[in-house]
Amino acid sequence: RKEVEQDPGPFNVPEGATVAFNCTYSNSASQSFFWYRQDCRKEPKLLMSVYSSGNEDGRFTAQLNRASQYISLLIRDSKLSDSATYLCVVNGASGNTGKLIFGQGTTLQVKP
Amino acid sequence: DAMVIQNPRYQVTQFGKPVTLSCSQTLNHNVMYWYQQKSSQAPKLLFHYYDKDFNNEADTPDNFQSRRPNTSFCFLDIRSPGLGDAAMYLCATSYPQSATDTQYFGPGTRLTVL
Repeated sequence: RKEVEQDPGPFNVPEGATVAFNCTYSNSASQSFFWYRQDCRKEPKLLMSVYSSGNEDGRFTAQLNRASQYISLLIRDSKLSDSATYLCVVNGASGNTGKLIFGQGTTLQVKP
Repeated sequence: DAMVIQNPRYQVTQFGKPVTLSCSQTLNHNVMYWYQQKSSQAPKLLFHYYDKDFNNEADTPDNFQSRRPNTSFCFLDIRSPGLGDAAMYLCATSYPQSATDTQYFGPGTRLTVL
């Protein structure tokens, strides 16, 4: 079983749609959680950290459920510019703070 | 205002010809990482330095080596590149003592092996 699992998609949605991505992680000792965005042939960039209390940044909402070892990202009112690969990332998944474990990413295509 | 800089952005080498990729940072972070990312795959950690302490991943081939002469610079040496080593190589930095422990990535070096 992979340490961090995501549905690779692709998710094809129209502009304005709401889309949700899910991610599960295997190690209950994992300490911190992130969503990164990666555009084609570019480096990953931090989209947002994920906290147990949930956090929101504009159209983006991230949730963490430690009991279920589940992380989600909700994008509301999708824009064309949201098209990218979204990487679920877990830190400390192997008990080693500082080591990031990446999911394989979920590809989003927002269409006009 | 780039914080993590990688040079070159594109590197072409011949099969078996050693190549060195460079990473520098202006963040004064004490941890630096090298990742390999192949097409449609997640970044895969090769190794990292925590200050001067080198930490190799168990499945990183011996063909890959690294040097960190000072806080700001870190190098990835590929001693004998094979066709399977063609990938994007990403450098990242972090400051684990911070509250968020975020990693910051450089733009990557895309390596082509002929």
